[in-house]
Amino acid sequence: QQKVQQSPESLIVPEGGMASLNCTFSDRNSQYFWWYRQHSGEGPKALMSIFSNGDKKEGRFTAHLNKASLHVSLHIKDSQPSDSALYFCAVIGWDTNAYKVIFGKGTHLHVLP
Amino acid sequence: DAAVTQKPRYLIKMKGQEAEMKCIPEKGHTAVFWYQQKQSKELKFLIYFQNQQPLDQIDMVKERFSAVCPSSSLCSLGIRTCEAEDSALYLCSSSQWQGTNSDYTFGSGTRLLVI
Repeated sequence: QQKVQQSPESLIVPEGGMASLNCTFSDRNSQYFWWYRQHSGEGPKALMSIFSNGDKKEGRFTAHLNKASLHVSLHIKDSQPSDSALYFCAVIGWDTNAYKVIFGKGTHLHVLP
Repeated sequence: DAAVTQKPRYLIKMKGQEAEMKCIPEKGHTAVFWYQQKQSKELKFLIYFQNQQPLDQIDMVKERFSAVCPSSSLCSLGIRTCEAEDSALYLCSSSQWQGTNSDYTFGSGTRLLVI
């Protein structure tokens, strides 16, 4: 069964710094990868997706996927206090007889002003 | 504002009482999921509906919860007999179809406190 692990559990970066969040998965046949962000008191919101190996940049956010290494990461450049939130990695792949989405346990990001 | 609506926002129940929370999925979405989240930590999968039919659920849901989607525009999650450990944020999310490259839209959740 698919296992999705995120690291670190908690991350503190200064305002303007770079935040790097990691996610490893166990199923090489996984197809779709998403990053979600959850601010306190809200539900998670989709931040960005990546489906092909390599980098994908959207503004200050860059996702990197390496299927061979079973690794996906999210890098936040010029971090802002408003980026402080819980970040989830979501991996979608075929499991037995249906597609399944598995969320990692999350990384708490704290950006200090 | 979330395109998935959850009600009520807050729910307080005594131990042993029944609880019910509702979810209106995003229009056009056929997949609906419920998750339990405690203390702003991991999302615990509870149950998945596709076209209003339950296709996957954990044992805890089978034993103590009731979940239905009587229409494509309304789903509900109930707890037959609340226990203290059920205190959590219950999140509903919907998607066009599980397995596509489309994202999952979450509601703001129902926060349940069992006292």
